Amino acid sequence: DQQVKQNSPSLSVQEGRISILNCDYTNSMFDYFLWYKKYPAEGPTFLISISSIKDKNEDGRFTVFLNKSAKHLSLHIVPSQPGDSAVYFCAASLNTDKLIFGTGTRLQVFP
Amino acid sequence: GAVVSQHPSWVICKSGTSVKIECRSLDFQATTMFWYRQFPKQSLMLMATSNEGSKATYEQGVEKDKFLINHASLTLSTLTVTSAHPEDSSFYICSASSHQGTDTQYFGPGTRLTVL
Repeated sequence: DQQVKQNSPSLSVQEGRISILNCDYTNSMFDYFLWYKKYPAEGPTFLISISSIKDKNEDGRFTVFLNKSAKHLSLHIVPSQPGDSAVYFCAASLNTDKLIFGTGTRLQVFP
Repeated sequence: GAVVSQHPSWVICKSGTSVKIECRSLDFQATTMFWYRQFPKQSLMLMATSNEGSKATYEQGVEKDKFLINHASLTLSTLTVTSAHPEDSSFYICSASSHQGTDTQYFGPGTRLTVL
């Protein structure tokens, strides 16, 4: 059973607009969430994270929102750039280093 | 930021042979390293967790005798795929963590294994 779900396998956004990537989880005990970005033939790289005690974390163009009651987190990219085109994985952790990944969402930013 | 390397980045081998993949943390000591396998269009699957100086903990369904993991030092972990078969062809990714507890994992660039 998938504990971390990314229900949208792909997303296409115009350059300059906002990209919103969503992630749902089932385990309310998760206490740390991360977003990773992955280019083809490369390992995923860490992008941004959020602790369960917060509901928002911002880093430049990237903002992660956490809604614990809905067990939902989202990654906002504003403004979107063509270089943001990649696969984005969300991941959740429970008191350990072990991360449970979602299946990923492929973002394509077109001019 | 922290850097994790993997070697080789790409390997092709014949069925029945063994392949060793190295994962190194270049500028930090990795107390814990993880090995993942990625399937096309799927998320990373955690294969095993290794702590320096101790035996690796394998996830359910992963054959420990087939995927040998050694974490001999704080900067190096190896994954050996023994008697490789075509179904083992995949993208193997390691990650490293500098200390216990909730923390960011730094991922290596991955190794693409193709078994003929």
